Amino acid sequence: QVQLAQSGPEVEKPGASVKVSCKASGYTFTNYYIHWARQAPGQGLEWMGIINPSDDNTVYAQKFQGRVNMTRDTSTSTVYMQLSSLRSQDTAVYYCARGDFGDANLDYWGPGTLVTVSS
Amino acid sequence: SYELTQPPSVSVSPGQTARITCSGDLLPKEYAYWYQQKPGQAPVMVIYKDSETPSGIPERFSGSSSGTTFTLTISGVQAEDEADYYCQSADSSPSYHVIFGGGTRLSVL
Repeated sequence: QVQLAQSGPEVEKPGASVKVSCKASGYTFTNYYIHWARQAPGQGLEWMGIINPSDDNTVYAQKFQGRVNMTRDTSTSTVYMQLSSLRSQDTAVYYCARGDFGDANLDYWGPGTLVTVSS
Repeated sequence: SYELTQPPSVSVSPGQTARITCSGDLLPKEYAYWYQQKPGQAPVMVIYKDSETPSGIPERFSGSSSGTTFTLTISGVQAEDEADYYCQSADSSPSYHVIFGGGTRLSVL
């Protein structure tokens, strides 16, 4: 069965960087996109960007350009999302989700990783 | 920038039909998707490509579209359907990006 396993919670200071991992299993890793979205406490979902594991191409939401970097490791079927210059407003649960090529669905989601930014 | 607009809340009694709307100018050209999110859990896709239901999702969930409005309908609402629901679409201008609606809290009274 399709599973996306994410790394554990993180606590970071303002100005630092955080790197969250998403390990895929149960399907062919290079046949689907991986999206990243986040959800601040009590707020809605916010899309951050997408990576194509087959060719490492990425597209980032304008809001995060220059601060986010998504990479993949095909040997371990893992995608990474690094967010830099953290501020308190980045405190959120970060989700990875699988997406079809040629479609905009996010059909399977990881359990989420809580990132807390606090001095 | 392009937005998807949802009502903040919808309330129904068990067994009734709940309808949650999502409006956006791009919806006639782009598909819409719906996600259910229960407290402390990750979202789950309940409708894709406007009206398709993923396997494992109960038949009481359905989707429809008319013009610039997309509607999620839950027939015979059950207590377990109480959750937040988000619509989602995508846009390619100026570059590809995914958009979520603000979310609707469904309360089953």
